[in-house]
Amino acid sequence: DQQVKQNSPSLSVQEGRISILNCDYTNSMFDYFLWYKKYPAEGPTFLISISSIKDKNEDGRFTVFLNKSAKHLSLHIVPSQPGDSAVYFCAASDRLTDSWGKLQFGAGTQVVVTP
Amino acid sequence: DGGITQSPKYLFRKEGQNVTLSCEQNLNHDAMYWYRQDPGQGLRLIYYSQIVNDFQKGDIAEGYSVSREKKESFPLTVTSAQKNPTAFYLCASSPPLIGPLGDTEAFFGQGTRLTVV
Repeated sequence: DQQVKQNSPSLSVQEGRISILNCDYTNSMFDYFLWYKKYPAEGPTFLISISSIKDKNEDGRFTVFLNKSAKHLSLHIVPSQPGDSAVYFCAASDRLTDSWGKLQFGAGTQVVVTP
Repeated sequence: DGGITQSPKYLFRKEGQNVTLSCEQNLNHDAMYWYRQDPGQGLRLIYYSQIVNDFQKGDIAEGYSVSREKKESFPLTVTSAQKNPTAFYLCASSPPLIGPLGDTEAFFGQGTRLTVV
């Protein structure tokens, strides 16, 4: 049973516009969430994270929003750039139970930024 | 440079053969992980190890085996019992949390593409 879900397998956005990626989770014990970016045939690279005690975390063009009551988080990329074209994975961790950072991943969203 | 090295990048295996994927890290991380990626699916955890000489099964451990004899190394063996071994395999490591609710992240290698022929 998948505990982290990314229901949009793909997203196409124009360069300069905002990309919004969504992620839902079912396990209420998750208290730490991460976004990873992945290019084909490469390993994922860490993008941004958020702890459950916050509802927003910003790093440059990337902002992650967390709605705990809805068990939902989103990643905003603004403005979108061609180099942002990649697969984005949402991941979650239960740091009390799995204190060593064992992560549950969503299925990923393929983002394509068009000129 | 510090990082995680997976080898080989591409691997071909005949049906019925065991094959071992290498993962080495020089980040001095205690915890290491093996994930599998299939098209349209997220990364699924195969095995993980928190310390040397200790490891636990992840969500899809059947048909796989691991060892952790050294802190730097966490090889994964795909055995003939694994029914659908063709996939992209990713090794990762993570530092310990600073305090019970510290931030952490997993650092990934470049992956090994395994194909059964």
